[in-house]
Amino acid sequence: AQRVTQPEKLLSVFKGAPVELKCNYSYSGSPELFWYVQYSRQRLQLLLRHISRESIKGFTADLNKGETSFHLKKPFAQEEDSAMYYCALQTGANNLFFGTGTRLTVIP
Amino acid sequence: EPEVTQTPSHQVTQMGQEVILRCVPISNHLYFYWYRQILGQKVEFLVSFYNNEISEKSEIFDDQFSVERPDGSNFTLKIRSTKLEDSAMYFCASSANPSVQETQYFGPGTRLLVL
Repeated sequence: AQRVTQPEKLLSVFKGAPVELKCNYSYSGSPELFWYVQYSRQRLQLLLRHISRESIKGFTADLNKGETSFHLKKPFAQEEDSAMYYCALQTGANNLFFGTGTRLTVIP
Repeated sequence: EPEVTQTPSHQVTQMGQEVILRCVPISNHLYFYWYRQILGQKVEFLVSFYNNEISEKSEIFDDQFSVERPDGSNFTLKIRSTKLEDSAMYFCASSANPSVQETQYFGPGTRLLVL
């Protein structure tokens, strides 16, 4: 069975500090992983996906199959990064399995 | 930019009542989904829908739930006889095609409270 684990419910960092949001997964197939973000009073939206190997709003995430991880990183946090972040695993049936989320607060 | 819309934004109902949650997916999208999030818990997959039939459903999606695309634009989730534990935020999502890694676009959600 698939599982996505985000060990931190809450994470606070100072503006300008590096941030890392942890995500570990368990899946017998080939994983397709995403990070979704939900800003205050806004809808859930895609931040990035592992297959694109892109950087969005300064965030990157590398899939590490050996450690079954897909941690989200940003070298210098900004106040506007404060939001709820969800790691999600997509199975072959295209359904998304979400982690419990991490609420990131960037302190000015 | 086109968006998924959902109505109502909030619904309060009595236990045992039927509710219908409505969604208008992005117009050229073909794949539709319902997810729910109980307060304080993770977002959970309920059902996916393609070509006018259910593609996949989770264990949560029991006989009390049904989905329908009654016309060319709406996609509805019906809960036949609500239970207290159905209280949650319900999200609709759509994607352009069913390929893996295709972005799912989410609606703003309907907050359902069952009393």
